Amino acid sequence: DQQVKQNSPSLSVQEGRISILNCDYTNSMFDYFLWYKKYPAEGPTFLISISSIKDKNEDGRFTVFLNKSAKHLSLHIVPSQPGDSAVYFCAASVSSGGSNYKLTFGKGTLLTVNP
Amino acid sequence: NAGVTQTPKFQVLKTGQSMTLQCAQDMNHEYMSWYRQDPGMGLRLIHYSVGAGITDQGEVPNGYNVSRSTTEDFPLRLLSAAPSQTSVYFCASSADGFNYGYTFGSGTRLTVV
Repeated sequence: DQQVKQNSPSLSVQEGRISILNCDYTNSMFDYFLWYKKYPAEGPTFLISISSIKDKNEDGRFTVFLNKSAKHLSLHIVPSQPGDSAVYFCAASVSSGGSNYKLTFGKGTLLTVNP
Repeated sequence: NAGVTQTPKFQVLKTGQSMTLQCAQDMNHEYMSWYRQDPGMGLRLIHYSVGAGITDQGEVPNGYNVSRSTTEDFPLRLLSAAPSQTSVYFCASSADGFNYGYTFGSGTRLTVV
C-alpha cells in the first residue's frame, strides 16, 4: 500500500512559467513533509519542508502548499529554470513517537524545463 | 566539509557473495539511514540509526545488516547477495530529520549477477 503518491511520472514546462508538482498521502499520522530534488547519478538534495501546523512555506522560488483535509501537498516553482530539470520526490514522516527519522517517499516526478 | 561519503560508487557481485557498503558523515549527525532506489519505486528505507549503538529495521530490511559503532560511520552489509538486491543504495544523515531534512550521499550502484 503506497502511502505517498506522486501520480504524475513526468511534467514538462516552459522556462519562466510556473511548475506545479503534486503529492497525495493516505496516512493521516504524517505531520511533516519534505521535497527533494535529484539529478542523475547524484543523491537527493533537500529542497523544502513543511509541518502540518502550517499550510504554506516559501523559500525563494519554491513554495510548498499543504491541504490537510485533502491529504494533498504541492510544490510550486516560479519562475521555472532549465536547471530545475530533475526528479522531484515528495516524502513524509511522523514527528511524534520517535518516528521522525523514517521517511516515506513517493515514486518521484521528472520535471523538464524547456528553454 | 565532505558531507556524506559512500564507497564504492559501483560494485558487481556474484550471487551468494557478501560485501559491505561504507557510509561516513562528518557533520556529527545522530540520525543515519540507508535507502534503496529501484526503477519506478522511489526510495525505500532499509535500516536506520538514531545514534551510536542504536539501530532498527526499516521497510525492506531482509538480507541486510547494519551496525553503528561510531557517530560517523554506518556500514550496510549484504550477507549473501541476491539478484533482487540489484539497486542503487543511498546513505543519509540528519541532525533532526526536520528543519534541514536529510543529507544524502551520492549513492552506490550495485549489480548482483
